[in-house]
Amino acid sequence: AQSVSQHNHHVILSEAASLELGCNYSYGGTVNLFWYVQYPGQHLQLLLKYFSGDPLVKGIKGFEAEFIKSKFSFNLRKPSVQWSDTAEYFCAVNALLSGANNLFFGTGTRLTVIP
Amino acid sequence: DTGVSQNPRHKITKRGQNVTFRCDPISEHNRLYWYRQTLGQGPEFLTYFQNEAQLEKSRLLSDRFSAERPKGSFSTLEIQRTEQGDSAMYLCASSASGLANLFGPGNEQFFGPGTRLTVL
Repeated sequence: AQSVSQHNHHVILSEAASLELGCNYSYGGTVNLFWYVQYPGQHLQLLLKYFSGDPLVKGIKGFEAEFIKSKFSFNLRKPSVQWSDTAEYFCAVNALLSGANNLFFGTGTRLTVIP
Repeated sequence: DTGVSQNPRHKITKRGQNVTFRCDPISEHNRLYWYRQTLGQGPEFLTYFQNEAQLEKSRLLSDRFSAERPKGSFSTLEIQRTEQGDSAMYLCASSASGLANLFGPGNEQFFGPGTRLTVL
């Protein structure tokens, strides 16, 4: 069975600090990988995605993520966070060739940025 | 607004009652998904349509749950004889098929605002 692990449940940072949120998945085959963000009171929005090619992908608002196949990881990074980055972040996986077209989500990481 | 819309946004019902939610996907998207999200968890897949065909159903979708997408556009999710454990946010998402394979993994999913169900 596929699963996605996000080890950081709640992260608190000061503005301008660097961010790295961990995401590990369990599926041995080819995957599509996503990071979604949910700002307070808003719906899920796509931050970035990896389908193929360069394992370092850049998303909106200065976020990037690196796919490391050998580690089954897709960690999210941002060099300098802002107060407006306060939100919940979800990693998601779509396992190709599994017959399923749905996304498997992690439990999310709540990020609080202190001004 | 051309995004995914869901109605109602909030629903409070008494245990045992039936409820129905509606989702209107992005108009050119042929795929539609229902997810459920409870507090402190990520969204969990419930079911998936490609056009009007319901192609996948999760084990989470008990017999009390039924979803339809009769004309391949909007979709409804009905919960019969609601239970307190059904209280959750019900999310709808839509996507387009991948260019390479109509039945393969599609493009990214766009989510609606959700319907928050509270069963008393």
